[in-house]
Amino acid sequence: EVQLVESGGGLVQPGGSLRLSCAASGFTFSSYWMHWVRQAPGKGLVWVSRIKSDASSTAYADSVKGRFTISRDNARNTLYLQMNSLRVEDTAVYYCARDPDRCNGGICYSQFDYWGQGNLVSVSS
Amino acid sequence: DIQMTQSPSSLSASVGDRVTITCRASQRISSHLNWYQQKPGKAPELLISPTSTFPSRFSGSGSGTDFTLTISSLQPEDFATYYCQQSYSTPYTFGQGTKLEIK
Repeated sequence: EVQLVESGGGLVQPGGSLRLSCAASGFTFSSYWMHWVRQAPGKGLVWVSRIKSDASSTAYADSVKGRFTISRDNARNTLYLQMNSLRVEDTAVYYCARDPDRCNGGICYSQFDYWGQGNLVSVSS
Repeated sequence: DIQMTQSPSSLSASVGDRVTITCRASQRISSHLNWYQQKPGKAPELLISPTSTFPSRFSGSGSGTDFTLTISSLQPEDFATYYCQQSYSTPYTFGQGTKLEIK
C-alpha cells in the first residue's frame, strides 16, 4: 500500500524556519518525481515545489523561491521541504504528492496520484 | 505563469443529475490537464489525468485551452470540491475550485 506520511509542521514566528518531512512507503520512492502543494485555510490548492526522481532537477513557485528548498533522500525514502524566512502568508496545510510522470505515445504527463495526509504550518507572532 | 479559471465556482445539484465543470487555461497546454476531488478535511485525490480515469461516471474532455469535467449521474459521495490543474509547465497551477453542493 502506498503511503506518504508528513511531519515537522507546527507554529513558528515570522522569520523563522521549519523543515517538513514526507516519509514514503509501499513503492519504489527513487523512481518517482515528488511535489509539495499547500492550501491556506479555506482556500484553494497551490503548487509549491517539485523534485525529480534522482534529485537532479528542482522547481519552485515564485512565492517561495529563495526561501524554500526541496530535497530528498532516496536511501531513506524521504522527501523534505526546508522553509526559511517564513511569512504569515505561508500559513497553510502542506501536502506531499507523488508524481508517476506517466508517458503515453512518447509524451509524459505529470499528475499527483497519491497525497500525504497534510501537515499544518502556522506562521504567527 | 499559466492561469487556470474554473466555472462555476459553486454548483448545487441533486443525486442523479448530470453536471459539467469547465476549466480554461490562459495559454495552450495541449492535454496536460488533471482533475482532482477534495472532500472537507481530506487530501485531494486524482480523478482524471491524460493517462487514467477513475470511476466511470467521471469523464474529461478538451485540449488546448478549454476543458470540461462531466459527472454523468451524481452520487452522494460526489459532493466535494473539484480542482483542475495544468501540468504543461511549472508552476503547475490549479484552478480556484468548484464546490459541488447538494440541492
